Amino acid sequence: DTAVSQTPKYLVTQMGNDKSIKCEQNLGHDTMYWYKQDSKKFLKIMFSYNNKELIINETVPNRFSPKSPDKAHLNLHINSLELGDSAVYFCASSQRAGLSYNEQFFGPGTRLTVL
Amino acid sequence: SQQGEEDPQALSIQEGENATMNCSYKTSINNLQWYRQNSGRGLVHLILIRSNEREKHSGRLRVTLDTSKKSSSLLITASRAADTASYFCATDGGTGGFKTIFGAGTRLFVKA
Repeated sequence: DTAVSQTPKYLVTQMGNDKSIKCEQNLGHDTMYWYKQDSKKFLKIMFSYNNKELIINETVPNRFSPKSPDKAHLNLHINSLELGDSAVYFCASSQRAGLSYNEQFFGPGTRLTVL
Repeated sequence: SQQGEEDPQALSIQEGENATMNCSYKTSINNLQWYRQNSGRGLVHLILIRSNEREKHSGRLRVTLDTSKKSSSLLITASRAADTASYFCATDGGTGGFKTIFGAGTRLFVKA
């Protein structure tokens, strides 16, 4: 069984379009995250939700809007896509933010290419 | 700025050799973790070491932590071709587990 799943795996789109990436975890975790990994493999946190509430928002442009309909799902909607948004986006989950042992489980990633 | 910095950025060794990767960080921490990322995949947690621990082992992995130098090392003994991956250190930046800040990673290539 897949613990953290993301769809789609690949996304190719034109500049200016709006797109969404979906994430689901079946681990019963309270906390979910979105990360962006650039071409140099640098992994940067974008958002974190704990039990459907936003707890981390790392100065990400307003064009990025996360939505957590329930604690098992965290979707990422991106408006007016720009070339610089091209990257691999990873969803992750952990048992609960604030625990001293906060191991994160990652999804397989969504490779977004903006043309 | 980025919390964790790994070195070397890339490492190429022969199967059977040991691989050592280092990580330095800037602020106080409650714990430090190491993750592995195979090409085209998500990260996988390897090991966590708490700030009051100095060394930890898990199978062929050995992690050390020196909080006075704000540094950690990951040693993989008797490396295998399957160990080829990128390895990242991650800290909580002293946030008590609310945030995980990743370094830029070390790319390890193990030649068969």
